[in-house]
Amino acid sequence: DQQVKQNSPSLSVQEGRISILNCDYTNSMFDYFLWYKKYPAEGPTFLISISSIKDKNEDGRFTVFLNKSAKHLSLHIVPSQPGDSAVYFCAAWEGGGKLIFGQGTELSVKP
Amino acid sequence: NAGVTQTPKFRVLKTGQSMTLLCAQDMNHEYMYWYRQDPGMGLRLIHYSVGEGTTAKGEVPDGYNVSRLKKQNFLLGLESAAPSQTSVYFCASSYSIGILEAFFGQGTRLTVV
Repeated sequence: DQQVKQNSPSLSVQEGRISILNCDYTNSMFDYFLWYKKYPAEGPTFLISISSIKDKNEDGRFTVFLNKSAKHLSLHIVPSQPGDSAVYFCAAWEGGGKLIFGQGTELSVKP
Repeated sequence: NAGVTQTPKFRVLKTGQSMTLLCAQDMNHEYMYWYRQDPGMGLRLIHYSVGEGTTAKGEVPDGYNVSRLKKQNFLLGLESAAPSQTSVYFCASSYSIGILEAFFGQGTRLTVV
């Protein structure tokens, strides 16, 4: 049973607009969440994270929101750029060192 | 600064053959992970280790074994490869406290025929 779910396999947005990527989780023991970005033929690279004691974390064009009661987090990219086109993975830390990833969402930013 | 290095980068195996994938990190990280990436399935955790000499099962451990004899190395073994193990394998490592960002290797593309 998938504990971290990204239900949208793909998302297409226009350059300059907002991209919103969503992630749901089922395990209430998760206490830290991360977003990763992956280009083809490369390993995933860290983008931004958030602790479960916060509801928002911002880094430049990237903002992650956490809604613990809904077990939902989202990544906002504003403004979106063509170079943002990649697969985005949501991940969650469970106590004891277990890091679980979602299925990924492929973002395409069109000029 | 190499970060996380995976060996080999590509491999083709015949069904029933065995092989070992090597992951090495030079960041003195306590935690290390092995994932497989398959279309539509995302990154699934195979095994992980929270320190030298320790290993634990992840989400999809069947058919794989691991060892962490040295802190900097994490080995993934396939004793009898099956076509279902055709995948891209990623190794990652991280600190255990503070910054929990995991760093990934470049991946190993394994095909079992």
